[in-house]
Amino acid sequence: DVKVTQSSRYLVKRTGEKVFLECVQDMDHENMFWYRQDPGLGLRLIYFSYDVKMKEKGDIPEGYSVSREKKERFSLILESASTNQTSMYLCASSGNTYEQYFGPGTRLTVT
Amino acid sequence: GQQLNQSPQSMFIQEGEDVSMNCTSSSIFNTWLWYKQEPGEGPVLLIALYKAGELTSNGRLTAQFGITRKDSFLNISASIPSDVGIYFCAGQLRSGYALNFGKGTSLLVTP
Repeated sequence: DVKVTQSSRYLVKRTGEKVFLECVQDMDHENMFWYRQDPGLGLRLIYFSYDVKMKEKGDIPEGYSVSREKKERFSLILESASTNQTSMYLCASSGNTYEQYFGPGTRLTVT
Repeated sequence: GQQLNQSPQSMFIQEGEDVSMNCTSSSIFNTWLWYKQEPGEGPVLLIALYKAGELTSNGRLTAQFGITRKDSFLNISASIPSDVGIYFCAGQLRSGYALNFGKGTSLLVTP
């Protein structure tokens, strides 16, 4: 079974802090994705990566950056957290098929 | 990415009833996927559809890939309380790329 894990299920940070969200997959997938999920807005793509050290902006990249130094790990970075970044963050991975597999999510609260 | 039109937004039904939800797009897709998300968890893949006109079942779930490639529907037969969750459709043009999501259908089932 594909397994995607995220470093924290719940996180509380203060405005202005630098925040790291980590995602690890164990299926040797090339592609990894970060989405945020907000009520009424569904899932929106922040960034994705199709190879180590490669990244592409999604629909809402502002205020975020990413890092992919190893194939199995994709990190989302909030350089200076703001309250409007309070959300559920979901990581996903896929190989050379259409199916994406999601992690359990990190619920981030910025106060 | 493109936001898909998913309906209904929510459904409140009695155990044993059948459920139907659908998703439409202004663009064609090569794949349609259906996910279920339970509270506090990441989306779990239910069914993947790869060919226009395809009808696929997974237990009590049946999904179809519309012949125009711009729509898909999901049916749940004889619903049970554990069917509760949010169901998302997702379309994809190319494998390995990000998914385009609907906003979800929230399903509540009363015993």
